[in-house]
Amino acid sequence: DQQVKQNSPSLSVQEGRISILNCDYTNSMFDYFLWYKKYPAEGPTFLISISSIKDKNEDGRFTVFLNKSAKHLSLHIVPSQPGDSAVYFCAATFSGSARQLTFGSGTQLTVLP
Amino acid sequence: DAGVIQSPRHEVTEMGQEVTLRCKPISGHNSLFWYRQTMMRGLELLIYFNNNVPIDDSGMPEDRFSAKMPNASFSTLKIQPSEPRDSAVYFCASVRTTGRLSGNTIYFGEGSWLTVV
Repeated sequence: DQQVKQNSPSLSVQEGRISILNCDYTNSMFDYFLWYKKYPAEGPTFLISISSIKDKNEDGRFTVFLNKSAKHLSLHIVPSQPGDSAVYFCAATFSGSARQLTFGSGTQLTVLP
Repeated sequence: DAGVIQSPRHEVTEMGQEVTLRCKPISGHNSLFWYRQTMMRGLELLIYFNNNVPIDDSGMPEDRFSAKMPNASFSTLKIQPSEPRDSAVYFCASVRTTGRLSGNTIYFGEGSWLTVV
């Protein structure tokens, strides 16, 4: 029973357009959410996070939105660049616990030039 | 500053053989994780160490899997005997945390790609 779900295994977007990656969670105890990016043959790297006390966090071209009532978060990349092509993992935890960090299955983003 | 270092990067072994994966966490990090990535289940936590002590091994799939952390700078994940369904990418990760993850981030190694034939 996956507590963090990324229902789209892949997404293709044209360069310059917006990429929207979605993530749903089932555990209402989750209060801290993260996105990781993974290039082929590399480990995942931290991208952006959001606490449940916020509904939006922005860092340059990357914005994460959190809808607690829907148990849904999304990552927006604007504008998308070919270098953004990677697998994006959504992750969630509660009480900031590293031990309880639960990952989704990932979404492969391809940005077409 | 070196990141999390894993070895081997790639391992191909025959079913029934013992496999040992190694990890050197980032110096100063007190928590270490072993994850497994598969197409079907994404990233799964296998085991978590804090201050070299195994805290949570509920993710270890079977008794064939074991992990140790003899000191703060070294950990191993062993599979004995290995089976084809163990084929996956195994990631080691570390973080310095005294509690809340917020403000910290988990650093992953580049992974060990295991193929059991």
